[in-house]
Amino acid sequence: AQSVAQPEDQVNVAEGNPLTVKCTYSVSGNPYLFWYVQYPNRGLQFLLKYITGDNLVKGSYGFEAEFNKSQTSFHLKKPSALVSDSALYFCAVTQGSNFNKFYFGSGTKLNVKP
Amino acid sequence: GAVVSQHPSRVICKSGTSVKIECRSLDFQATTMFWYRQFPKQSLMLMATSNEGSKATYEQGVEKDKFLINHASLTLSTLTVTSAHPEDSSFYICSARLTGSNYGYTFGSGTRLTVV
Repeated sequence: AQSVAQPEDQVNVAEGNPLTVKCTYSVSGNPYLFWYVQYPNRGLQFLLKYITGDNLVKGSYGFEAEFNKSQTSFHLKKPSALVSDSALYFCAVTQGSNFNKFYFGSGTKLNVKP
Repeated sequence: GAVVSQHPSRVICKSGTSVKIECRSLDFQATTMFWYRQFPKQSLMLMATSNEGSKATYEQGVEKDKFLINHASLTLSTLTVTSAHPEDSSFYICSARLTGSNYGYTFGSGTRLTVV
């Protein structure tokens, strides 16, 4: 069965410091991986995705993520955090045989303090 | 870019009444839309896949008679929560697959439903 794990409910980081939000996945076949951000009472906004190709994916707002097949991970990173990055982040996976069905992680709340 | 408009953003209804939530694709045609539900501090759970002109496909455990989905046009899908109860209070989000896009999906802004 497909699943996504975000081991941290919350990540705290000081503004200007690098941030990492962790994600590991379990899927049969080749995974298609996504990161979304959600602000309070808002829908999800797409950040980036990995389908194939270069393992390092660059996305919106300076975020990037690295696909690591051996560790089945897709951690989200940013070199220098902003207070405005504070939000809820979701990792999601889908798979080729049913790419319409997303499996979301439980979400990680990122707090960036000034 | 492609936008999905979801309405209303918030709704409070009395127990036993029905509530309709609309999801519109504003500048593209969405043959397939998806309805998710999000409980507080939990992730999104796919409820159903809505296909234009045909019956929706519901995920296991989702009551199709309670959560009625209609996708009558290429730009509109609706979710009706019938005979709502307090346990139906949740955050509902729709999404649409971008036609011709490689795994591109866009999400609505969500509807906060509170049943009192």
